[in-house]
Amino acid sequence: AQSVTQPDIHITVSEGASLELRCNYSYGATPYLFWYVQSPGQGLQLLLKYFSGDTLVQGIKGFEAEFKRSQSSFNLRKPSVHWSDAAEYFCAVGPMTTDSWGKLQFGAGTQVVVTP
Amino acid sequence: DVKVTQSSRYLVKRTGEKVFLECVQDMDHENMFWYRQDPGLGLRLIYFSYDVKMKEKGDIPEGYSVSREKKERFSLILESASTNQTSMYLCASSLHDRVTEAFFGQGTRLTVV
Repeated sequence: AQSVTQPDIHITVSEGASLELRCNYSYGATPYLFWYVQSPGQGLQLLLKYFSGDTLVQGIKGFEAEFKRSQSSFNLRKPSVHWSDAAEYFCAVGPMTTDSWGKLQFGAGTQVVVTP
Repeated sequence: DVKVTQSSRYLVKRTGEKVFLECVQDMDHENMFWYRQDPGLGLRLIYFSYDVKMKEKGDIPEGYSVSREKKERFSLILESASTNQTSMYLCASSLHDRVTEAFFGQGTRLTVV
C-alpha cells in the first residue's frame, strides 16, 4: 500500500532563512506527488505537483520541490522564508489503481513557524 | 477558478444530533471527497464518491454516511453526533483521472458538545 511520511512535525525558521520540508513515500512505481499548504483556518491550497519529466518542480509563492527516485523523496524548499509562509504543509501521493484515480494519500503534515 | 464551497465555516452541535455538512463544486468534477483533519494525524479520508449515487468508504467511515444525488453536491451526514467527532472537516473535488490534483473547500470546524 502507498504511504507518505513527513518526518518533521514542527519546524521553526527565522524570517529570511531557507526552509526545507521533507517528504518520503512508499510506492510501487513512479508516483504522482503534491505539496499543499494550509494557512490557519483555511482549506488546502496546491503549491506544486510532480507527474513526470524534470525532477525539479517550481510552484507558487516561491516554492520548489525535487523528486529523487533513489531516495523516494519529494522535499519542498524555499530559499528565503517570509512571515506569511507560517502554515501547515502537507505532502500527498496520487493513486496507482483505476478504481482510485483522483484519491490522494496525505502525510501527517509539518507545521512551520516563522520567527522575526 | 475551481471553487469548492462548504456550507458552514463553524458549527456547534449537541451530542446525539443529526448533522449535515454540505459541499458544492462548480467544475463538473467526477470525484468528491470528505476528509477529517485532526492535529498530528493529517487528513484522513472518510468517504469518496466518483459519480452520482456512487460512494466508497475511506479510512474512517464509522459514524458517518454520505449522499450524492447531484454531481456538484456531496453531503456528509453524522447520524448521531458524538464528542469524538469534533474536528475540522474538509471537502475536496477532482477529475476522475490518474493525473490530477484535488481542490479543497475552506473547511468546516465542527464542535460537538
